[in-house]
Amino acid sequence: DQQVKQNSPSLSVQEGRISILNCDYTNSMFDYFLWYKKYPAEGPTFLISISSIKDKNEDGRFTVFLNKSAKHLSLHIVPSQPGDSAVYFCAASAQGGSEKLVFGKGTKLTVNP
Amino acid sequence: GAVVSQHPSWVICKSGTSVKIECRSLDFQATTMFWYRQFPKQSLMLMATSNEGSKATYEQGVEKDKFLINHASLTLSTLTVTSAHPEDSSFYICSARRQGVVFFGEGSRLTVL
Repeated sequence: DQQVKQNSPSLSVQEGRISILNCDYTNSMFDYFLWYKKYPAEGPTFLISISSIKDKNEDGRFTVFLNKSAKHLSLHIVPSQPGDSAVYFCAASAQGGSEKLVFGKGTKLTVNP
Repeated sequence: GAVVSQHPSWVICKSGTSVKIECRSLDFQATTMFWYRQFPKQSLMLMATSNEGSKATYEQGVEKDKFLINHASLTLSTLTVTSAHPEDSSFYICSARRQGVVFFGEGSRLTVL
């Protein structure tokens, strides 16, 4: 049973446009969510997180939105840059982030120049 | 800069030998570290939680005797793949939590011939 789902395995956008990556979860105990970016043969790099007490968190070009009622979160990247091309993983945790992370399968983002 | 460091970044070994991978938290103490495995085009699979000064907690289906974890200090956890076989070839990644955020090491690519 997959508790964190990233239903789009890939996404392609034009440079300068907005990239929207989606993530759904099923476990209502999850209350802390993170997005990671990963290049091939490298460990994931932390991008941004959000606690369930918020519905939006912004950091530069990255904004994460959380819709608790829909058990859905999204990562917006604007403007998208070619260097953003990577695999993006959504992760969730319970107990305010102290529990282990559960990852989605990732979405491969390609930003075309 | 890096928050969590792994070594070696890649290793090739013969079948039947053992391989040790180190994970270090840089400039902070980590009582808990996590070991993941990533198969090609798949998500990160949590293998075990490494606890400083005590036994590791393994996820279901992960062989404890095959993947030995030692967390001897607050900044170092090691994963030893014992009697490695070609099916153990994979990308192993460790992580540690600092101030609520989980940071990952660079990953270690293991190839067993």
